[in-house]
Amino acid sequence: DIVMTQSPDSLAVSLGERATMNCKSSQSVLYSSNNRNYLAWYQHRPGQPPKLLISWASTRESGVPDRFSGSGSETNFTLTISSLQAEDVAVYYCQQYYGTLLTFGGGTKVEIK
Amino acid sequence: EVQLVESGGGLVQPGGSLRLSCADSGFTFSSYWMSWVRQAPGKGLEWVANIKYDGSEKYYVESVKGRFTISRDNAKNSLYLQMNSLRVEDTAVYYCARYRSPLDVWGQGTTVTVSS
Repeated sequence: DIVMTQSPDSLAVSLGERATMNCKSSQSVLYSSNNRNYLAWYQHRPGQPPKLLISWASTRESGVPDRFSGSGSETNFTLTISSLQAEDVAVYYCQQYYGTLLTFGGGTKVEIK
Repeated sequence: EVQLVESGGGLVQPGGSLRLSCADSGFTFSSYWMSWVRQAPGKGLEWVANIKYDGSEKYYVESVKGRFTISRDNAKNSLYLQMNSLRVEDTAVYYCARYRSPLDVWGQGTTVTVSS
């Protein structure tokens, strides 16, 4: 199974400042035949279902604010919130869908400083 | 509007069984893989199972193999999770989700509590 490791476990950022979190996979999730990274990011607010933010490592879903961006390839990925808003307080998960068995990272909790 | 609604959660004793259901609306259910994902109290998200659009392929996380069965009825636009031999560690909120590479539509979740 592909193991996903996120860091840090939590971070506190001031409103309007940048938040950056990382995700590392135990093996490459880049599929060579189509040059796509099978990596997604989700936002999970308390009491709500998870929300897909980014697929294919860097493609924002429709309606997701452009302050959210994803980058990286193969085994190392980053989610950046360029200017943190109050509504961004949540736990963020990366997930690989390269294999038939899906796996999530442990999550990064984002709070307001 | 695309929507998924889970039902069937509740309190069950260890060793017991429960069947979760997930009903869809707003999309062609039979065209998509579907998944179950859970979140135990104070823990992160854990993928549980996937099923192909026609039911011909099923995949499970190791910890539920042999105990849980994912199934679907495309005529009823419904997804199921039969959970047998339940353990305390199966206590969680269970979400169904549409697997369109990746999980793009989620239900609100149903809570399963395994306790004596």
